[in-house]
Amino acid sequence: EIVLTQSPGTLSLSPGERATLSCRASQSVSSTYLAWYQQKRGQAPRLLIYGASSRATGTPDRFSGSGSGTDFTLTISRLEPEDFAVYYCQQYDTSRWTFGQGTKVEVK
Amino acid sequence: EVQLLESGGGLVQPGGSLRLSCAASGFTFSSYVLYWVRQAPGKGLEWVSGITGRSSNTYYADSVKGRFTISRDNSKNTLYLQMNNLRAEDTAVYFCAKEGGSGRNFVAYFDDWGQGTLVTVSS
Repeated sequence: EIVLTQSPGTLSLSPGERATLSCRASQSVSSTYLAWYQQKRGQAPRLLIYGASSRATGTPDRFSGSGSGTDFTLTISRLEPEDFAVYYCQQYDTSRWTFGQGTKVEVK
Repeated sequence: EVQLLESGGGLVQPGGSLRLSCAASGFTFSSYVLYWVRQAPGKGLEWVSGITGRSSNTYYADSVKGRFTISRDNSKNTLYLQMNNLRAEDTAVYFCAKEGGSGRNFVAYFDDWGQGTLVTVSS
């Protein structure tokens, strides 16, 4: 089973700053099957990025995804107040779907 | 607008059973792979199970294999999760989720989610 490790666990930033979130896989992941989600407290997750770099419908263009192989990145170019949340990466491989443990982006 | 509404959660004793339901609307139900994803209190997301559009294939996480059964009724636009031999570690909010894309190609991500139903396994 492919394990996804996200870092850092918590990112403390101010509105307007740039956020860089990392997702590292224990073995190579197809970019086609790498996605990112945002989850706010008490809410269901929301799809942000699929195929490693394609924005989902409604995802603001300040969010971008990149990477390949075992290293993937979610970047938020300028944090807005509504972006403070937990972010998860997710992959699929041979009938298994796995999530990273999450990165919390909090207000500094 | 896609809507997914889970129900059936509650308090159950260890070793007990529960059946979750997810009523869907706003899309061609039989065209999409559907999933269950859970989240233990204060923890991250864990994929639990998936089922293809015509139920020809089902998938399970190792942690639930042999205890949980996923099914769907395309005539009722409803997804189910039968959970048997429940353990304390199954305590979680259970979300149903729909596969992304158009339904014609397998994409393996979740683009619509329900609000979840809480399952608590405790004596």
